[in-house]
Amino acid sequence: SQTIHQWPATLVQPVGSPLSLECTVEGTSNPNLYWYRQAAGRGLQLLFYSVGIGQISSEVPQNLSASRPQDRQFILSSKKLLLSDSGFYLCAWSLDWDRGGKLFFGSGTQLSVL
Amino acid sequence: GENVEQHPSTLSVQEGDSAVIKCTYSDSASNYFPWYKQELGKRPQLIIDIRSNVGEKKDQRIAVTLNKTAKHFSLHITETQPEDSAVYFCAGYRDDKIIFGKGTRLHILP
Repeated sequence: SQTIHQWPATLVQPVGSPLSLECTVEGTSNPNLYWYRQAAGRGLQLLFYSVGIGQISSEVPQNLSASRPQDRQFILSSKKLLLSDSGFYLCAWSLDWDRGGKLFFGSGTQLSVL
Repeated sequence: GENVEQHPSTLSVQEGDSAVIKCTYSDSASNYFPWYKQELGKRPQLIIDIRSNVGEKKDQRIAVTLNKTAKHFSLHITETQPEDSAVYFCAGYRDDKIIFGKGTRLHILP
């Protein structure tokens, strides 16, 4: 069966510091990968998605970036965090439409920028 | 791009009554509409979904209806129970992008 791992679960970072969140998927190949952000009490905002290695689509211009160095690895980064980057970050995976298309989330990272 | 609107933002129903959450979408090419339930501090979990070639789907106390002409879809929960209290999100899918509504916080009153 497929599993998704996301870490760390909690992170407290000072303003201006760098960020790296990592997500890996097991048990499937060539998944679509996603990063969402959820501000406190708010909805799920799509940040980035990837349909293959090295293919990244950005939905919201900001100081975050994403990379997919391997088929089942997705990384969210920032060179300098802002206060507004605080939130609950969720990695997710799905298969493409022909293979089902259902989206499954990782357990999330609660990021606090102070 | 796709835009998904969800209403209401908060809903309180008496235990045992039914709850209905409605969503509209903007992109007529969207072809898949999942619903997610998120409990406090946890990840969203898929509870039911519907594809654009189907008008209705039911799974025990949960059902989803889709009106492609009007571009709206709804979640129906019958015989609500305390464990149904959570935030519910609808979403629209097109070309590998899954866009979510802003969520509905459902309170089940004793």
